[in-house]
Amino acid sequence: KNEVEQSPQNLTAQEGEFITINCSYSVGISALHWLQQHPGGGIVSLFMLSSGKKKHGRLIATINIQEKHSSLHITASHPRDSAVYICAVKSGGSNYKLTFGKGTLLTVNP
Amino acid sequence: GAVVSQHPSWVICKSGTSVKIECRSLDFQATTMFWYRQFPKQSLMLMATSNEGSKATYEQGVEKDKFLINHASLTLSTLTVTSAHPEDSSFYICSARPRLPDSNQPQHFGDGTRLSIL
Repeated sequence: KNEVEQSPQNLTAQEGEFITINCSYSVGISALHWLQQHPGGGIVSLFMLSSGKKKHGRLIATINIQEKHSSLHITASHPRDSAVYICAVKSGGSNYKLTFGKGTLLTVNP
Repeated sequence: GAVVSQHPSWVICKSGTSVKIECRSLDFQATTMFWYRQFPKQSLMLMATSNEGSKATYEQGVEKDKFLINHASLTLSTLTVTSAHPEDSSFYICSARPRLPDSNQPQHFGDGTRLSIL
């Protein structure tokens, strides 16, 4: 069983819809990352958070440490948001290793 | 923002060839670089952690002699797939952690290298 579980695995939405992607983890962490991977493969770091909520443009990330759960929200979704969104956690300690979820494939149709 | 350049982006070569992939941090110094492998529709899997000036730390099951890692400077790490075979075909991606006091700096990822061995 993967230590980081994401849901849903696949998500199709219409342009303008509000999107939520969930991430649950089973280990103690010091930080959680949300990453975006486009079809070409390159990965962009969207957020790194250890508590509370962060917002950047139309993207919002929240984390509940007690419940070991994080969500990524996209408001007013657009076809250019279509990508794989990956949750990754960094456990405590100094090795900075990340454990990745399998990703959520988001397709936003015009 | 911080940029990590990975080269080449795409390689096709014959079985038995050795392939070198470069990972450069363009506008920051990287104490640590990570090398990942990703199979289609799968998670990234950490292969090794590369620290400047010291030997890389390999994850369990990753052959050190097969995947040679060199981190000669604070801006460059290389991964060499030696005597590559078709089963080594995969997407390889690196990331770099900035050399800053703040231990919570995010990793910055390269665009990846798609390796196809015929």
